[in-house]
Amino acid sequence: KQEVTQIPAALSVPEGENLVLNCSFTDSAIYNLQWFRQDPGKGLTSLLLIQSSQREQTSGRLNASLDKSSGRSTLYIAASQPGDSATYLCAVNAGGTSYGKLTFGQGTILTVHP
Amino acid sequence: DAGVIQSPRHEVTEMGQEVTLRCKPISGHDYLFWYRQTMMRGLELLIYFNNNVPIDDSGMPEDRFSAKMPNASFSTLKIQPSEPRDSAVYFCASSGRRPLNYGYTFGSGTRLTVV
Repeated sequence: KQEVTQIPAALSVPEGENLVLNCSFTDSAIYNLQWFRQDPGKGLTSLLLIQSSQREQTSGRLNASLDKSSGRSTLYIAASQPGDSATYLCAVNAGGTSYGKLTFGQGTILTVHP
Repeated sequence: DAGVIQSPRHEVTEMGQEVTLRCKPISGHDYLFWYRQTMMRGLELLIYFNNNVPIDDSGMPEDRFSAKMPNASFSTLKIQPSEPRDSAVYFCASSGRRPLNYGYTFGSGTRLTVV
């Protein structure tokens, strides 16, 4: 059974810092991995999608990497801003006969203070 | 595209009542998912459909829960009878056909409170 763990559970940083959020998964046979952002009381917004054959994806100040063999992904946020404060979730798509079935981590609660 | 549309946004009901949650996926997406989010358990997949056919309903907690997708543009999740422990945020999400391999798009959720 796939298990996804995110570290740290919470992170508080001053504005302007570069930061790394970690995600690990137990079964490396994945189809893709997706990072989401969730603001309080809101739905999930997709940030980046990495296919199993890719090593990284970039969007603006965000960069996500994937090391499938070691079961790890990182989300790098450059020059953090207060508007980045949210919960960040990673989710793994198993693929195969379980295609579409995302397994989520518990999330990292990020607070960026001015 | 307006994204994945869920209704209602909030629902407060009394224990024992029937509750119906609605979802309109993104046009052209052929996968539809229902998730439940609680503080204790995080995000849990309840059921998902491919081309309107239920593929995996192993996450549906019990017989009180049922889901349908009568056509490509509409799905419902019904709870009958509702119980206080069903209080949660229910999300619908849709995804495009592989191998184009679109990621998930989530709706804004329905916050259900059963009193």
